[in-house]
Amino acid sequence: SQTIHQWPATLVQPVGSPLSLECTVEGTSNPNLYWYRQAAGRGLQLLFYSVGIGQISSEVPQNLSASRPQDRQFILSSKKLLLSDSGFYLCAWHSGRPRDTQYFGPGTRLTVL
Amino acid sequence: AQSVTQLGSHVSVSEGALVLLRCNYSSSVPPYLFWYVQYPNQGLQLLLKYTSAATLVKGINGFEAEFKKSETSFHLTKPSAHMSDAAEYFCAVTRSGSARQLTFGSGTQLTVLP
Repeated sequence: SQTIHQWPATLVQPVGSPLSLECTVEGTSNPNLYWYRQAAGRGLQLLFYSVGIGQISSEVPQNLSASRPQDRQFILSSKKLLLSDSGFYLCAWHSGRPRDTQYFGPGTRLTVL
Repeated sequence: AQSVTQLGSHVSVSEGALVLLRCNYSSSVPPYLFWYVQYPNQGLQLLLKYTSAATLVKGINGFEAEFKKSETSFHLTKPSAHMSDAAEYFCAVTRSGSARQLTFGSGTQLTVLP
């Protein structure tokens, strides 16, 4: 069966510090991968998605970047965090047909102080 | 363009009462529709999905949803609420006929009162 991991689970970082969040998927190959953000009191915002190694699409311009160095690894980064980067970050993968469904990881709670 | 509207950002029901969470969609192509549930500080869990087969879809935890094309709706229901149903619920629609790209609603926080 497939599983998706995210770490760390929680993170408190000062403004201006760098960020690296990691997501890995097990039990599948060449999945589409996604990074979403939930800010307090708001819905899900798609940040990035990737259809393969080194292939990243950005949905919105922002202070963040993403990379996919391996087939089942997806990383979200920032060089200098802003207060507005605080939120709950979710990684997801797409199962492909026939299920054709996105499945989510447990999330990372990021607080920028 | 596809969009989802969830009416009611907060819904409160008494334990044992009917749960009704509303979702209306807009789509220029035949949609797939999803309901996800999110418990505090957790990821989203798939409750159920509609993929153009049966219009009444049964999901986990006793939830079901009915696809009504004429009303462009996909409301989520459960006959009897349980305290453990308290969570946030998200409706989502596919952007291009595949769940590779989803548009999410803004979510509905369900509170279950004892």
